[in-house]
Amino acid sequence: QQQVKQSPQSLIVQKGGISIINCAYENTAFDYFPWYQQFPGKGPALLIAIRPDVSEKKEGRFTISFNKSAKQFSLHIMDSQPGDSATYFCAARGSGGSNYKLTFGKGTLLTVNP
Amino acid sequence: SAVISQKPSRDICQRGTSLTIQCQVDSQVTMMFWYRQQPGQSLTLIATANQGSEATYESGFVIDKFPISRPNLTFSTLTVSNMSPEDSSIYLCSVGRYNEQFFGPGTRLTVL
Repeated sequence: QQQVKQSPQSLIVQKGGISIINCAYENTAFDYFPWYQQFPGKGPALLIAIRPDVSEKKEGRFTISFNKSAKQFSLHIMDSQPGDSATYFCAARGSGGSNYKLTFGKGTLLTVNP
Repeated sequence: SAVISQKPSRDICQRGTSLTIQCQVDSQVTMMFWYRQQPGQSLTLIATANQGSEATYESGFVIDKFPISRPNLTFSTLTVSNMSPEDSSIYLCSVGRYNEQFFGPGTRLTVL
């Protein structure tokens, strides 16, 4: 059972455009939603994360939007650059006994054309 | 964040052999994890490495195939035993710190 659904599977954006990746979850016990960026041959790097008590979090060109009632969250990359070309994973984590146990989406391969 | 190193970074192994992957963290952490990432796929949690006790394995993963050691709060090993080509994957060590989770660079394993 896939608990975090991520779309699209791949995305091509022109330089300067906005990249949008969406995720939906089912488990209402999730209380922490990070995004990871992974370049080929590297481990995933924590990009930005949000908790369900806020609807938006922004760090530089990266913004997470969170809709608790719809159980959806999304990553927006403003002014996308070729250096942003990577695979992006959303994830979700429960509380209590599931501390730190992340459930990942399937990933989105982002290509930013120059 | 956390500085995590893994050894080896990559290896090519023969079917039926075993490989031990090491994970070293720059300072003490309570939670350490091992993930598998098959080519072009997402990350799947293998087990949580508990210091001083047996690892906790996820469904589909067993100790005989993936024995884990956690001798202290900065180090862990994952062994992939009796390997087959289906074990070809990237194996990632991860740690929990400051209520966030950080990943090592991974070990790329190819089994022939």
